Amino acid sequence: GIQVEQSPPDLILQEGANSTLRCNFSDSVNNLQWFHQNPWGQLINLFYIPSGTKQNGRLSATTVATERYSLLYISSSQTTDSGVYFCAVRDSSASKIIFGSGTRLSIRP
Amino acid sequence: DGGITQSPKYLFRKEGQNVTLSCEQNLNHDAMYWYRQDPGQGLRLIYYSQIVNDFQKGDIAEGYSVSREKKESFPLTVTSAQKNPTAFYLCASSGQARVNTEAFFGQGTRLTVV
Repeated sequence: GIQVEQSPPDLILQEGANSTLRCNFSDSVNNLQWFHQNPWGQLINLFYIPSGTKQNGRLSATTVATERYSLLYISSSQTTDSGVYFCAVRDSSASKIIFGSGTRLSIRP
Repeated sequence: DGGITQSPKYLFRKEGQNVTLSCEQNLNHDAMYWYRQDPGQGLRLIYYSQIVNDFQKGDIAEGYSVSREKKESFPLTVTSAQKNPTAFYLCASSGQARVNTEAFFGQGTRLTVV
């Protein structure tokens, strides 16, 4: 099955810094999503981005499907950005949704 | 409000008991999923369903069972055969079966075996 790898596994930054999170996948995928898991465990949808680039405020994402990776950019980090960021892809049959192991982001005030 | 509702939020179970976690959605989505998350880990797929009256095992189905009798509902039963059931359980849904649409998650159920 498809393997999804996220890097780095942990990231500690000062408030105001910028960060780039990476998601690599081992095979062609039909779509890709980025989620933020808050301290209460809820998964918040950030981007649905099978290809191309999207922006939402301080966050943006780029997926290069032909090269099998996606990047999530967070600019001017705030303490509320802390949490775990997951990328998830669908396999070729579009039936399973497969998650990476996540990047744990800690923003220090 | 449209969305996915999981209940209860917290659940305690004695060893040897079966317990059922509820997942209901009013998004008119065809596909529904159950994931398990252990502390500090990612999400692992337990079962998924693309359409009513049909479901498939995911990567860690042993000790779990599901049903999909209604489009809106996909309950998960954690049986006594599940050796380590204490975990955070998340339910998700997405649009048409086998069509690439965005998935949405419920708020999760924390199950603790006492």
